[in-house]
Order: sequence, then structure tokens, then C-alpha cells
Amino acid sequence: GAGVSQSPSNKVTEKGKDVELRCDPISGHTALYWYRQSLGQGLEFLIYFQGNSAPDKSGLPSDRFSAERTGGSVSTLTIQRTQQEDSAVYLCASSLWGGIGEQYFGPGTRLTVT
Amino acid sequence: KNEVEQSPQNLTAQEGEFITINCSYSVGISALHWLQQHPGGGIVSLFMLSSGKKKHGRLIATINIQEKHSSLHITASHPRDSAVYICAVTKDSNYQLIWGAGTKLIIKP
Repeated sequence: GAGVSQSPSNKVTEKGKDVELRCDPISGHTALYWYRQSLGQGLEFLIYFQGNSAPDKSGLPSDRFSAERTGGSVSTLTIQRTQQEDSAVYLCASSLWGGIGEQYFGPGTRLTVT
Repeated sequence: KNEVEQSPQNLTAQEGEFITINCSYSVGISALHWLQQHPGGGIVSLFMLSSGKKKHGRLIATINIQEKHSSLHITASHPRDSAVYICAVTKDSNYQLIWGAGTKLIIKP
């Protein structure tokens, strides 16, 4: 599989629980992005990794959201104490280089908070 | 005013028609992207442009840096082209993508 993969594809969780979303970028891509798309809304930038570091975390909607990337590869987006407004499709993308690199998107994780 | 504006918001056309979707932006950019999102599906990157014109099959994308404007054209449109088409720009001040609101395209057989 040469594309970006994400898991799980669907996640239903109860309000207040923590969730972890995983992204496996294309091998060799140094840049990794997290976005979310709420129902009927456009794409919202969350965070960007260049290697293992995140130069800008300002897109994270609250301190309940955190993300890490290890080994310059897999990234995990963690949402603590989930709220109903966190329900959305969470998309991951990777690019060969940050900045102007063409981004390749994963299939997304559909998160539903009940 | 949004930094990236797309028009039209919605477009319905008959199969075979030539389609044009426009994107205007108001910031300095290092690249402009056209993406496609099918209903319930994922997002596919169609083009990344920093100047001129690119063609892929029936899709053509152009950009005019001086006018801060890009167009996506679809020739000989087909119902399978029905999707939301999104314009996004990479600001030259940082890596961040700024997204347009998307254009919902429906091609009727």
C-alpha cells in the first residue's frame, strides 16, 4: 500500500472518553498534516509536522487535543474528554516536503461522539 | 472577506458540457492546489500549481499569479465528475493551507 492510511475508519465514543486516531503517511514523506471536516463545513487545519516536530499547534481547537509523531512516520491525534462538537471526519495528509509539497490524503476517520 | 474565494458555490450541468470553476485569493502564495472530494469519500489532490497551466486527462488547471486567480476546467464532463472541487493555497509566509469553501458540481446524464 503506497497511500496514506488512517485507523480506525470509524469510531463511536461516549462523551467524556478519550480517543486516539492514527495516521500512517506515505513512506519518505517528511511533512504530515491533520485536518478535520465537520458536517457541512469546510476543512479545518489542525496541526502540521515537519519530521517529528510541530512548528505550529495553533490550529488545535482546545487543549483537549494533542498530537505526536514518532520516527518521522506514524502520527497519533489524541482527543481527551471528547465532546459532541468533536464529531467530524479527521483527515491526515502527507507530503514529501512541507510548505509547497503536494499533499496526499488518507481516507479519514469518522468520529462520532454520543 | 475570505482569503480564498471560489465560484460558483454550486454548478449543475449536462453531460458533455465544458465546466469552469474559479478561485481567487488575496494572500501571497507559494502554491495553489485543486482537490476533489466525492460524496462520502476521501479527498484527492488533482493539481498543485505555482505558475502557468497543467493538464491531466480531461482536467486543466491554470493560474495567473499577477491577478491572483486560478481556474479549473473540465472538458467533456461526465456524471462521474460530480463531486466537490476545492481550491486551497499555501501561504508563502508559512506552510499553512487556506481552503476555499468548495464548489459542488453535479453533472446530469
